[in-house]
Amino acid sequence: GAVVSQHPSRVICKSGTSVKIECRSLDFQATTMFWYRQFPKQSLMLMATSNEGSKATYEQGVEKDKFLINHASLTLSTLTVTSAHPEDSSFYICSAINPTLVGETQYFGPGTRLLVL
Amino acid sequence: AQTVTQSQPEMSVQEAETVTLSCTYDTSESNYYLFWYKQPPSRQMILVIRQEAYKQQNATENRFSVNFQKAAKSFSLKISDSQLGDTAMYFCAFMKHPLYTGANSKLTFGKGITLSVRP
Repeated sequence: GAVVSQHPSRVICKSGTSVKIECRSLDFQATTMFWYRQFPKQSLMLMATSNEGSKATYEQGVEKDKFLINHASLTLSTLTVTSAHPEDSSFYICSAINPTLVGETQYFGPGTRLLVL
Repeated sequence: AQTVTQSQPEMSVQEAETVTLSCTYDTSESNYYLFWYKQPPSRQMILVIRQEAYKQQNATENRFSVNFQKAAKSFSLKISDSQLGDTAMYFCAFMKHPLYTGANSKLTFGKGITLSVRP
């Protein structure tokens, strides 16, 4: 299987607070997970690649101190938006690759809608 | 760097008819994967179809098939017998083959196309 979950599905927070989003692979172990950001009617923008047991690799222009990623186990990666501001409001999506399946296909979570007031 | 181009922002098709979504890409790699993903209004990304570049045969999945032209770097998606549930945003994506390139399975997405199926 290749089911990926995300929690929470939506979150509203005040400016200046931190928000943690969890991404779990439910029926497989994922050594690599990916975090994306998506604005309405636009494509997915890769933020970072999360590798189990090591530091995440961030894409150019993504602030690593702002978007903290932890991949502490083979089934869980977390994204923490620190000191969130209204411009961080967006749809965040994670994905994971099931290494037992042929084809390097990324399977996506249902996404988390973040609104910062 | 790889680029993926979806030049049509929107398309519309009558239910039960056939529609083709275009995608072109640019790469210097010879080993790679190509994907079509569907994102319905729920915003859940769903894999539609996958093509491995070394396979000449076009991939098919039920009503979905691709026309993969490697030399032309073209990867179009054909949806036959369109259904109302096919209404979604469709993204074409490219991935270097990690085994041959040492890359880490990153996807490069096109801008997407919004497909509306009319009843």
